[in-house]
Amino acid sequence: AQSVTQLGSHVSVSEGALVLLRCNYSSSVPPYLFWYVQYPNQGLQLLLKYTSAATLVKGINGFEAEFKKSETSFHLTKPSAHMSDAAEYFCAVSGTGTASKLTFGTGTRLQVTL
Amino acid sequence: DTAVSQTPKYLVTQMGNDKSIKCEQNLGHDTMYWYKQDSKKFLKIMFSYNNKELIINETVPNRFSPKSPDKAHLNLHINSLELGDSAVYFCASSQGGQAEAFFGQGTRLTVV
Repeated sequence: AQSVTQLGSHVSVSEGALVLLRCNYSSSVPPYLFWYVQYPNQGLQLLLKYTSAATLVKGINGFEAEFKKSETSFHLTKPSAHMSDAAEYFCAVSGTGTASKLTFGTGTRLQVTL
Repeated sequence: DTAVSQTPKYLVTQMGNDKSIKCEQNLGHDTMYWYKQDSKKFLKIMFSYNNKELIINETVPNRFSPKSPDKAHLNLHINSLELGDSAVYFCASSQGGQAEAFFGQGTRLTVV
């Protein structure tokens, strides 16, 4: 079975500060890993994905994540937070094949303060 | 053009009623899903369909019945609604099971 664990249900940073949202995964097969963002009262939008190519993945809105197999981690970072980054962030894992599904972490709410 | 669209966006209904949520995707994807997001924001898959065939059916009460009339549509019918069914239901689609999923805007269901 696959799973992801997001450390920290709530992270607060100042505008301009580094954003670091943590995600660790568990998978018996090479995983596909994703970060999604959810703004209030909206659906989920894909930020970036790892599918066994480059370990450093760049996404939209200046976010990136690094796949570290030795640490089973896929942490999300952004060098400089912006007020518009305030949202809920979800890490997710899936396997391969038609019967694959996204298994989500419990989410991390990012607050950005002035 | 909205890629994955769900209707309605909000649904308030009384216990015991039957309701449906519709979903359509115009991305040409072959796989569609229903996810449930509870009040604590936890997201869990309910069903997935690939080319109109049911592939994943998680532990969901049989009051929930998905129907896929074609590859572009996946509807969710819920019978005898209960208070605990209150949640946000998301439809999603992907090309194949392992590709990223594109989500609709969600349907906020409130059972009173």
